[in-house]
This record gives sequence, structure tokens and C-alpha cells, in this order.
Amino acid sequence: KNEVEQSPQNLTAQEGEFITINCSYSVGISALHWLQQHPGGGIVSLFMLSSGKKKHGRLIATINIQEKHSSLHITASHPRDSAVYICAVGPSMDTDKLIFGTGTRLQVFP
Amino acid sequence: DSGVTQTPKHLITATGQRVTLRCSPRSGDLSVYWYQQSLDQGLQFLIQYYNGEERAKGNILERFSAQQFPDLHSELNLSSLELGDSALYFCASSPRTPSSYNEQFFGPGTRLTVL
Repeated sequence: KNEVEQSPQNLTAQEGEFITINCSYSVGISALHWLQQHPGGGIVSLFMLSSGKKKHGRLIATINIQEKHSSLHITASHPRDSAVYICAVGPSMDTDKLIFGTGTRLQVFP
Repeated sequence: DSGVTQTPKHLITATGQRVTLRCSPRSGDLSVYWYQQSLDQGLQFLIQYYNGEERAKGNILERFSAQQFPDLHSELNLSSLELGDSALYFCASSPRTPSSYNEQFFGPGTRLTVL
């Protein structure tokens, strides 16, 4: 079993829909990261969180440390949101080593 | 633009060869990480350097080595290349002291194809 599991693996949506991507992890962590990888391959860090909730524009990330679960929400989805979203956890406070989920491929159609 | 640069963008080589991938971190960032992304394995952490010293090691093969130079740029050396080494290799950097609380900034990647 992977230490970081994401669901769903693939997701299609119509423009304007509310999107939720889930991440569950089995290791103790000090921080969780959400990354976005565009079709061209580039990776962008969206959020880093260790508790609670963060919001940036139409993106919201939440984490429940007790349940070892995080969600990434996209409100009013747009075709430009089409990308692979990757959850990664930092298992230790004294290293930035990350353990990655397998990613969720999102396609938003107009 | 994350501020992290990687060269080259694409590299095509043959089995058994040796290549060097280069990464320049964001100005002021002391930590550099190398990741490998292959089709069947996803993203995997290879190695981290902090201010010139190796800080953490992941699933890095013995045929691979890395170093961080005094100007903080880093190189990843891959030798005796095999077909399975074909992948995207990302470099990332982060500031301050090593900590999971640091956001990481990713370079554009180097796509290595081994024929």
C-alpha cells in the first residue's frame, strides 16, 4: 500500500463545476503539499499546510491531521485548471524530503 | 517562472553513456532537491543538498551521484545509463533551514531519453 493515496485517479468536469480531490496518508507528517503539473510538465507548488485550511483564489486546501486526510477543492472550474494535481507529504521536521501520491488527472471541458 | 533553472531541457543519449544535469536554485535558496518522474513510478525523491552538504537520500541508484557547489548550483550525474532511466528529472529549491515547512520551487525539468 502506498504511503500517500489520492482519489480519484482521473476526473473530468464541465466548466463551472466544483471539484474535490482527496489525499490520504499513512505516515506521520509535519506538512502536506499540493502541487500542480501542467501538460507541458512544469510543476507549481499550490499549497503547503500543516493544519486547518488555506485559500488562494478559486483553490481551497484543507487538512485533518487526526484523520490523516487532505482535500483540494477548485470552485468554478475552468479549462485552464486541466492538469495533474499531486499530493505530497513531508514526513519529518528536519528534512524537506517529500513522499508523493500518484496524482489526479483533471480535465475540465468548456 | 519559479526562478529555478535547469539545463538542458531535453537530452537524448544511448545506453551505457553518462550525462550531467544542471540546476541553479532561486537566488538565496540553500536547499536543492532532485526528483525523478517516470511513467510507471511517478515522482520520486532522489537526494537533497543543503548549503553544499548532502542532507537526505531517497531512492537514488548507485550509478547516480549529485553534488552542490559553493555557488549553490547542483549537478546530477547519471552513468551507465539504462533504458529505464528515461524520465523527467526535476530540481527544486527552498530557502532557510531544512524543514518540511518550506515551500519548494520546482525547475522546468530535464527530459532524458535513453535509446
